[in-house]
Amino acid sequence: GAVVSQHPSWVICKSGTSVKIECRSLDFQATTMFWYRQFPKQSLMLMATSNEGSKATYEQGVEKDKFLINHASLTLSTLTVTSAHPEDSSFYICSARVGAGGGEQYFGPGTRLTVT
Amino acid sequence: AQRVTQPEKLLSVFKGAPVELKCNYSYSGSPELFWYVQYSRQRLQLLLRHISRESIKGFTADLNKGETSFHLKKPFAQEEDSAMYYCALQNAGKSTFGDGTTLTVKP
Repeated sequence: GAVVSQHPSWVICKSGTSVKIECRSLDFQATTMFWYRQFPKQSLMLMATSNEGSKATYEQGVEKDKFLINHASLTLSTLTVTSAHPEDSSFYICSARVGAGGGEQYFGPGTRLTVT
Repeated sequence: AQRVTQPEKLLSVFKGAPVELKCNYSYSGSPELFWYVQYSRQRLQLLLRHISRESIKGFTADLNKGETSFHLKKPFAQEEDSAMYYCALQNAGKSTFGDGTTLTVKP
C-alpha cells in the first residue's frame, strides 16, 4: 500500500533556531501534500496545502514566513519552522494524495517538535 | 465555505452495543466524504469513503444529501474499535476535517 514517511520522528531544538521536517511518499507520486498540527487529544489543524511545483496555500492564521513549505518533487515536501518558539511545540503530521482534485489521503506517522 | 461538524467530542459505549458517530457537512455541491481512524500510537488511516459504499471492520456510512450527513455506524462495537475518528470532506482538491470523535468501547 501507499506509505508516507516523515523525518525526523521527533526533534528538540532551542528557541530561535529553525527546524526542517521532511515528508516523503515512498511508493507513489503525490501531486498534493498537506501539513497539519495536532494538539494532544485534539483535532487536526490544517496548516497548508501544497501542489508539486507550486506555492503552498496556507490556511488563515498560519504564518507563511514562519512555516516554510516546499514541495519540489512528487515524492518530497518539507516544512521548515523558522525561528522556533516554545509555542510551536506540537505534533506535525503530513499527508499525501495522488490526485490534485481528490481521493484518499495517506498520512505520515508525525513528527514531535519540542522547542526549549 | 465547506465545513465538517462532528458534534460529539467523546463517545463511550459498551462492547456489543451499537455505535453511531455523527458527521454533518456543509457544502452545496457533491462532495467526496471519508472517515479516517487513528488508533492509539498509530497514524491516521482511511476507514471508508462514501463512493466505495463498502463495509470496513463492520462499519458503514451512508451519505444523506438531504440531511447533509455522513454518520458512521456499527451494529456491535468491539473493544478494538476504541480510537479517534475523523470525518473529512474533499472538494476540488481542498480537504476539510471535522474535530474528531474519541470512541471508547468498554468491556
